[in-house]
Amino acid sequence: DAGVTQSPTHLIKTRGQHVTLRCSPISGHKSVSWYQQVLGQGPQFIFQYYEKEERGRGNFPDRFSARQFPNYSSELNVNALLLGDSALYLCASSQESLSNQPQHFGDGTRLSIL
Amino acid sequence: GNSVTQMEGPVTLSEEAFLTINCTYTATGYPSLFWYVQYPGEGLQLLLKATKADDKGSNKGFEATYRKETTSFHLEKGSVQVSDSAVYFCALSDLIVEGYQKVTFGTGTKLQVIP
Repeated sequence: DAGVTQSPTHLIKTRGQHVTLRCSPISGHKSVSWYQQVLGQGPQFIFQYYEKEERGRGNFPDRFSARQFPNYSSELNVNALLLGDSALYLCASSQESLSNQPQHFGDGTRLSIL
Repeated sequence: GNSVTQMEGPVTLSEEAFLTINCTYTATGYPSLFWYVQYPGEGLQLLLKATKADDKGSNKGFEATYRKETTSFHLEKGSVQVSDSAVYFCALSDLIVEGYQKVTFGTGTKLQVIP
């Protein structure tokens, strides 16, 4: 079975631009979460979507937005990019939205802002 | 809010040495606890989990026990190998409200195993 897939793998943007990152969860998984991982740190929670609705949001500015589609895939959008947005963006899926459900991660999108 | 504290790295060990990576947590509810491992250039992989107090998770020779009385979930392995070199993350998963699962990660501990 295919794991969580993310695209693109790498991306270079300049300040002020907009970016869209994509995620396909494992087949049958209804929950998708997005994380930002800065070098040397743990993943920081950005959003969680379950059954196509936003269920939770971390401490990120309104420049960050996301959505989940009927097939449970998801997009993360970031507007007005800043140098500090340079990071690895990770998508994770789980079958249901329960505390005992492990999350399955993609390999991430490495975003560099020049 | 919930939080996870891990011992700082890097941890450098010789092959076949005993490994302990400390993890403590604070939580208001009844969380599940996880250890994830991250190899260079990759995403996180689930290593093991425990969903209630006194549960022991185990996988590939690694073990961790959910200790509610000490709010800890320390990772151990009896004999490490060079292939265990990676960054290890302790994580806490809580159901904030129905449908909202929030996972909080520690800062990670880098393990380097020397032949």
